[in-house]
Amino acid sequence: GIQVEQSPPDLILQEGANSTLRCNFSDSVNNLQWFHQNPWGQLINLFYIPSGTKQNGRLSATTVATERYSLLYISSSQTTDSGVYFCAVPDSGGGADGLTFGKGTHLIIQP
Amino acid sequence: NAGVMQNPRHLVRRRGQEARLRCSPMKGHSHVYWYRQLPEEGLKFMVYLQKENIIDESGMPKERFSAEFPKEGPSILRIQQVVRGDSAAYFCASSPPWIYGYTFGSGTRLTVV
Repeated sequence: GIQVEQSPPDLILQEGANSTLRCNFSDSVNNLQWFHQNPWGQLINLFYIPSGTKQNGRLSATTVATERYSLLYISSSQTTDSGVYFCAVPDSGGGADGLTFGKGTHLIIQP
Repeated sequence: NAGVMQNPRHLVRRRGQEARLRCSPMKGHSHVYWYRQLPEEGLKFMVYLQKENIIDESGMPKERFSAEFPKEGPSILRIQQVVRGDSAAYFCASSPPWIYGYTFGSGTRLTVV
């Protein structure tokens, strides 16, 4: 099956810093999603981004499908950004399907 | 729109008992997915269902685990004769057929004692 690798596994930053999280995947996909799991365990869908760039407030994401990676940018970090960030791609390339998740980046924002 | 509803939020079972986890999808979503998250790990796909049909159960353990999504009512993930290794967070997600609206519930934390 498709492999998803995320880096870095852990990241500790001071409030106000910027960060870049990376997601590499082993095969062509036409769907990629970024999720944030907050410290209470809730999973929030951040972006659906099969290609190109999207922005939502202080967060933005870029997927370069031809090179099989995606980046999540967090600017001016706040303590509420803490948690685990996952990227996920469909098991079989696209459509309504189960997702394969990376192991996540554990982000801690210190005040 | 109430979102994806899972219950119970926390479930404690003794070894050998049965666990039943429920998931009501978002209104208008016809696809339901179950995932398991072990401590300090990512989510692992278990099963994908549509109404009255199991579409993909490639991630389900071969024994003791079953899932259904009946014509009426919530989707149920059933774990028979639970063991300590079943302790995990179980998440349900739903989507319309085009997957853009893939939304997770808050999860059920199962603890087997």
